[in-house]
Amino acid sequence: DGGITQSPKYLFRKEGQNVTLSCEQNLNHDAMYWYRQDPGQGLRLIYYSQIVNDFQKGDIAEGYSVSREKKESFPLTVTSAQKNPTAFYLCASSPPGIKEQYFGPGTRLTVT
Amino acid sequence: AQRVTQPEKLLSVFKGAPVELKCNYSYSGSPELFWYVQYSRQRLQLLLRHISRESIKGFTADLNKGETSFHLKKPFAQEEDSAMYYCALSPGSGGYNKLIFGAGTRLAVHP
Repeated sequence: DGGITQSPKYLFRKEGQNVTLSCEQNLNHDAMYWYRQDPGQGLRLIYYSQIVNDFQKGDIAEGYSVSREKKESFPLTVTSAQKNPTAFYLCASSPPGIKEQYFGPGTRLTVT
Repeated sequence: AQRVTQPEKLLSVFKGAPVELKCNYSYSGSPELFWYVQYSRQRLQLLLRHISRESIKGFTADLNKGETSFHLKKPFAQEEDSAMYYCALSPGSGGYNKLIFGAGTRLAVHP
């Protein structure tokens, strides 16, 4: 099952630590996205990248950072500045000119 | 403001009953509307999009611009339809394929 992979599936961290979530895709898509999914709130966009070496803040970027050094990779770092980091994180990608987004399996992050 | 509203958190029906999952949107332009579905232990995936006017797994959705709605319907629900359903809007303009999601509706189909 190729497509988009996220690792790890579950991640536990202590408060005050930065943590990086991995997202890789072999679909040759230019655009990639990070969402946060919380119960009752749907998906909220954290960051997106349309092309390598370029990324933009989404609706809830505070406390997060990203990089896009390679087309196939879009890691998300949850920093200690994120006030409520415990959530389910979804990565997605889309080909140019197509509105459909393809999603990874997600990473559940728990910070205690 | 661009917004997608799914008023029901949970919709519970019996097998064979009709299903309608409601979705209303707020957008001043001409959006594209989508329904995404997340089955248990599976990743979020596209169910259907309004521009295709297609029926997928017996589900249909019609964009009603006058009522700004995009309700998802199925005449006879099946147990395998139980899942989380998200309505999403893509603005007509913009430099990227942004999606705005509703809060989601959990559909539970009972035998």
